[in-house]
Amino acid sequence: SQELEQSPQSLIVQEGKNLTINCTSSKTLYGLYWYKQKYGEGLIFLMMLQKGGEEKSHEKITAKLDEKKQQSSLHITASQPSHAGIYLCGADFPSNTGKLIFGQGTTLQVKP
Amino acid sequence: GAGVSQSPSNKVTEKGKDVELRCDPISGHTALYWYRQSLGQGLEFLIYFQGNSAPDKSGLPSDRFSAERTGGSVSTLTIQRTQQEDSAVYLCASSLGVVGGKYFGPGTRLTVT
Repeated sequence: SQELEQSPQSLIVQEGKNLTINCTSSKTLYGLYWYKQKYGEGLIFLMMLQKGGEEKSHEKITAKLDEKKQQSSLHITASQPSHAGIYLCGADFPSNTGKLIFGQGTTLQVKP
Repeated sequence: GAGVSQSPSNKVTEKGKDVELRCDPISGHTALYWYRQSLGQGLEFLIYFQGNSAPDKSGLPSDRFSAERTGGSVSTLTIQRTQQEDSAVYLCASSLGVVGGKYFGPGTRLTVT
């Protein structure tokens, strides 16, 4: 069973538009990690959330973790073509901290 | 500073041969992870080293897979008697400890012919 579900699976937006990607866990997680991957390249670490209700921002990307620590959202404001890629959420759980389980990823295309 | 490095970047091997993939973690990082990314399969956890603790090998798909971490730094993932289904990108990551950002290397693309 998939412990982390990401939605949507893919997204096409017009440049300048805002967008949100969601990551939902079936159980309370320990830490939630967001990564970006360009085709054929490694994963770029964006941010990590650990406290319920936590919110972090990096440039135009904001990620939040809900109070129950079961859902995170990644929000991009005024999207740019440079934001295109695959966004992956990963999480570890109290029973197995350090061992990240990943969602299936969300492919983002930004049309100029 | 230098990030996680992996070598080789690409490896083509014949079915049945053994391969070794290398990972150099970020200096000072005590935790090291191996993942596999196959087309359409997502990222699959393989093995995790933390300091001097026994590694978590729960993700290794078969006994043909093994990994070592020498001196708490460099790690080698070995695949014996490679099969076509082993073809994937093998990614290594490291972190300061269990908690904290996990930084990935560029990966090794393994193709078994």
